[in-house]
Amino acid sequence: GQQVMQIPQYQHVQEGEDFTTYCNSSTTLSNIQWYKQRPGGHPVFLIQLVKSGEVKKQKRLTFQFGEAKKNSSLHITATQTTDVGTYFCAGRIRGADGLTFGKGTHLIIQP
Amino acid sequence: DVKVTQSSRYLVKRTGEKVFLECVQDMDHENMFWYRQDPGLGLRLIYFSYDVKMKEKGDIPEGYSVSREKKERFSLILESASTNQTSMYLCASRGSIADTGELFFGEGSRLTVL
Repeated sequence: GQQVMQIPQYQHVQEGEDFTTYCNSSTTLSNIQWYKQRPGGHPVFLIQLVKSGEVKKQKRLTFQFGEAKKNSSLHITATQTTDVGTYFCAGRIRGADGLTFGKGTHLIIQP
Repeated sequence: DVKVTQSSRYLVKRTGEKVFLECVQDMDHENMFWYRQDPGLGLRLIYFSYDVKMKEKGDIPEGYSVSREKKERFSLILESASTNQTSMYLCASRGSIADTGELFFGEGSRLTVL
C-alpha cells in the first residue's frame, strides 16, 4: 500500500551536534506535517508544509518539502536535551483520506 | 486550547473480552481518528470519522469497530480482544474536512490483553 518511509529509525548525537530526519513517499503528497512525541507523551504538531520546495524555520528547526512533493526533511541545529523525543512525519496522499505517518525517528542526545 | 480526552490511560483485559475506548474532544471538530502505536511500527490508522454517524476504515480496521453518535465523542470497540491488540491507542481530532490542519492527540490509552 501507499507508504511514508522515514529514516533513520534511531539517531544518537552529542548535545550541540546537528540532527536530520528524512521522509519519503512513494506517491505525491498534498501536504506533509511534522510531529514531536516526548518520551511518555503524545504526538504534538510542529508544522505543515504545503507548497513544492517550501522551507520553513522554527528557531533551530528547519523543515523542507521537496520539489516533487514526495520527500521532506527536518533539520535541528545544535541539539539540546529538550529536543529528545521521536519525530514523525505525516503525509496526506492526494485523493486519500487521513494522514499516513512515518515510523518515526528517535532522537537520543548524550550530554 | 483544544482538549482531547481519552477515558482510560491504562487498561488490562482478558482475551475475548469486549473493550470500549472512549474519546471526547471539546472544540467542535468534525474529524476524529483512532490510531494505534507500536514500537518500530509508528502510528497506524484504524478508523476515522468525518461527521456524526459517519465512519471510514483506515489501514488496519480488522478486529475493531467504531461509534460516533455525538460530534464530540468517538469510541473504539474491540468486540473480542486478542493479545495482538495489546498496544497504545491514540485518539485525535481535527477541524473541518476542508481543513488540512493539525491533529490534536489525546494522552493515549495503553491496553494490555492477557
